[in-house]
Amino acid sequence: QSALTQPPSASGSPGQSVTISCTGTSSDVGAYNYVSWYQQHPGKAPKLMIYEVSKRPSGVPDRFSGSKSGNTASLTVSGLQAEDEADYYCSSYAVSNNLGYVFGTGTKVTVL
Amino acid sequence: QVQLVQSGAEVKKPGASVKVSCKASGYTFTSYGFSWVRQAPGQGLEWMGWISAYNGNTDYAQKFQGRVTMTTDTSTTTAYMELRSLRSDDTAVYYCARKAWYYFDYWGQGTLVTVSS
Repeated sequence: QSALTQPPSASGSPGQSVTISCTGTSSDVGAYNYVSWYQQHPGKAPKLMIYEVSKRPSGVPDRFSGSKSGNTASLTVSGLQAEDEADYYCSSYAVSNNLGYVFGTGTKVTVL
Repeated sequence: QVQLVQSGAEVKKPGASVKVSCKASGYTFTSYGFSWVRQAPGQGLEWMGWISAYNGNTDYAQKFQGRVTMTTDTSTTTAYMELRSLRSDDTAVYYCARKAWYYFDYWGQGTLVTVSS
């Protein structure tokens, strides 16, 4: 099972928006609405930002939003702030036997 | 508040085994499962498998089957991950994460496992 494909990097100025794509297949992203997104600052553990494609956990700012179309999911960060600079990973449940979950390749978001 | 506290860093020789623990608190232990995710230096996240804290059922990623064992101890609310036949490319930070339905909502701080002769 290959990792989901994300762009290596994305950037934007403070206040702008950035959108990160996460491309999989009909066996993972396209199969169910079980895509989640995680933010990871250097040397820290990942933090859940979005689950089930577009739901936000309590405490996550509404600047973070998620969507999905076919085999591609997206995370949008609106109104970029300095603290949003981090690595972002998508994840999806994979329908194939014994595959469980697959993560994306990761995207480094830089706030210019 | 939910907390997952992992055991400390380990250094192992190739061929050895390592067992990482993850002490959970702040919620009903048996209501959730645990996933284990690793991250090699400078690399992305890799899902290893998960275990139900309710009934002990496991599901391991194909890559690790036969080499990994995940267990839980409800009396101490602790999850464990044992990886055997360690190789140098197993050097990574290993995370436990609480599995809530189809996502991972709380994560431990990570445990660095270094495999070196």
